[in-house]
Amino acid sequence: SQQGEEDPQALSIQEGENATMNCSYKTSINNLQWYRQNSGRGLVHLILIRSNEREKHSGRLRVTLDTSKKSSSLLITASRAADTASYFCATALIQGAQKLVFGQGTRLTINP
Amino acid sequence: KAGVTQTPRYLIKTRGQQVTLSCSPISGHRSVSWYQQTPGQGLQFLFEYFSETQRNKGNFPGRFSGRQFSNSRSEMNVSTLELGDSALYLCASSVNLAGELFFGEGSRLTVL
Repeated sequence: SQQGEEDPQALSIQEGENATMNCSYKTSINNLQWYRQNSGRGLVHLILIRSNEREKHSGRLRVTLDTSKKSSSLLITASRAADTASYFCATALIQGAQKLVFGQGTRLTINP
Repeated sequence: KAGVTQTPRYLIKTRGQQVTLSCSPISGHRSVSWYQQTPGQGLQFLFEYFSETQRNKGNFPGRFSGRQFSNSRSEMNVSTLELGDSALYLCASSVNLAGELFFGEGSRLTVL
């Protein structure tokens, strides 16, 4: 079963707008990661936030983590057509293990 | 530096056959993990290997097996294939047991 649930399942916005995706999980985690997947291809790591961190930035990406609510959000600012992809959150439950539990993903479409 | 290489990229098998998928991690990466991706179940963890030892195993039947060689290359095998085994099988490597995963492009298996 999936640890995480992502919301929304699909999101369509205009180029230049900001996109926000949310992820909720069920159990305590060591860290939470966000990945991007272009259609039918491999996943690309975007950002990792540890359980003792609350916010992290990387370029146009901003991730927040609220362990009390067991939730995280990914914000992509100033979206581009190339950002069109599926975005997945993944939780690492055990320190020192690469067993990630993925959410079902959010399908993001950026309209030019 | 070359990325994670998975072979074959595409393959078609019939029910009852077996298949072996190969993964070459990024040079210097000692941890390899495997994931199955299907439209219905999403991304699910199969195995994790570090220094030729299986450290974690997902909730899959015994028909799914894997191994890692001394050069960190990994293989996974699925025996007695079923229609439901049709999926994108993704391999990921990392430097150690904590941190981001680098994914290959996947092996797309179709079982007829």
